[in-house]
Amino acid sequence: GNSVTQMEGPVTLSEEAFLTINCTYTATGYPSLFWYVQYPGEGLQLLLKATKADDKGSNKGFEATYRKETTSFHLEKGSVQVSDSAVYFCALSDQGRGGGADGLTFGKGTHLIIQP
Amino acid sequence: DTAVSQTPKYLVTQMGNDKSIKCEQNLGHDTMYWYKQDSKKFLKIMFSYNNKELIINETVPNRFSPKSPDKAHLNLHINSLELGDSAVYFCASSPGGLGNSPLHFGNGTRLTVT
Repeated sequence: GNSVTQMEGPVTLSEEAFLTINCTYTATGYPSLFWYVQYPGEGLQLLLKATKADDKGSNKGFEATYRKETTSFHLEKGSVQVSDSAVYFCALSDQGRGGGADGLTFGKGTHLIIQP
Repeated sequence: DTAVSQTPKYLVTQMGNDKSIKCEQNLGHDTMYWYKQDSKKFLKIMFSYNNKELIINETVPNRFSPKSPDKAHLNLHINSLELGDSAVYFCASSPGGLGNSPLHFGNGTRLTVT
């Protein structure tokens, strides 16, 4: 079956530090990969996505590259801000099965804390 | 305009009661979902509806019953609530079709069973 593994948190960084949150996946088909962000008390928001190998998703200074050879989709940001403090979820959708009705398989989430 | 809205935001109730959570999306999406997020933030899909037909029921107790009166609404009814049902429940929607479409989430309903 499909699964997503991401680094355990919390991850605590100082403002302007470089961020990497690791994500690896296992999938039976040809997955699309996503990063979602959840701010306190809110629902999940799509941060970025990549639908095929070597695609790079980017948004708000965050980037992630779909690496099929290492089955990874690590999230990076060059200089984090206090406002980036949130829980980050890596997720996959096995588009090979079609229909979209299988939803997403999520990792367990990484709590990011940015200190001023 | 809120794309995916769910009510109530907070729900506190006693064991054994029956409660419902409502969800509506105005995105014109064909597929809607219910996810459960536990205290450790882990998200697990419960149900998926595509054009009012149930697609997934991932080992959810039959005390949980989704109801979709039309493709814009997917409500969740829970009978005989138990302490272990305490969690945050998220409704989501997607256009359906190939699985490369992102999900759009509501802001969640925090259910506390005492």
